[in-house]
Amino acid sequence: GQNIDQPTEMTATEGAIVQINCTYQTSGFNGLFWYQQHAGEAPTFLSYNVLDGLEEKGRFSSFLSRSKGYSYLLLKELQMKDSASYLCAVRDVKAAGNKLTFGGGTRVLVKP
Amino acid sequence: DADVTQTPRNRITKTGKRIMLECSQTKGHDRMYWYRQDPGLGLRLIYYSFDVKDINKGEISDGYSVSRQAQAKFSLSLESAIPNQTALYFCATRALADNTGELFFGEGSRLTVL
Repeated sequence: GQNIDQPTEMTATEGAIVQINCTYQTSGFNGLFWYQQHAGEAPTFLSYNVLDGLEEKGRFSSFLSRSKGYSYLLLKELQMKDSASYLCAVRDVKAAGNKLTFGGGTRVLVKP
Repeated sequence: DADVTQTPRNRITKTGKRIMLECSQTKGHDRMYWYRQDPGLGLRLIYYSFDVKDINKGEISDGYSVSRQAQAKFSLSLESAIPNQTALYFCATRALADNTGELFFGEGSRLTVL
């Protein structure tokens, strides 16, 4: 089975930086995803990491260390619209259907 | 228009009633999924399908059934709804040829069972 842990909630100030950590345990790691989900809306894809290192995409960056079972999502120059939940998800090649397992999500509140 | 469309968007029903949630997609994707989302529990997979003749159980399939009527349509049924099936339900699609395996989600169907 898989176990994915991420903090429940974080608060940050507009213009600042926030780092959301995600740790996981899986037997057949095949990629880690970050999704953004505004309240009551569909999750939308942010990033994908399958190799170790940092992937940068504008104000958002995602890091992966497969040996440590660890990832983080870094949000820079925070804007009010970044207030949302951020979902970490891991694909396991040994799971039925190569399925994606989601963590419980981290709710980020950006304050003025 | 959304690429992945779910109907209804909101539904209130009573215990014991049969409910169907429908999902259609215009992305031409082979793979379709039904998830439910509960506060603090993340998204959990109910059923998934890789093509019209393929139906697979996810981690929480009890109390649910699905039908893949066509490549573009995947419906979820609750034969006899119960209150703990109150949740936000998402349909998602994925392209077989996509190496990243990104999921594309519908806008969600909020179901309340009284």
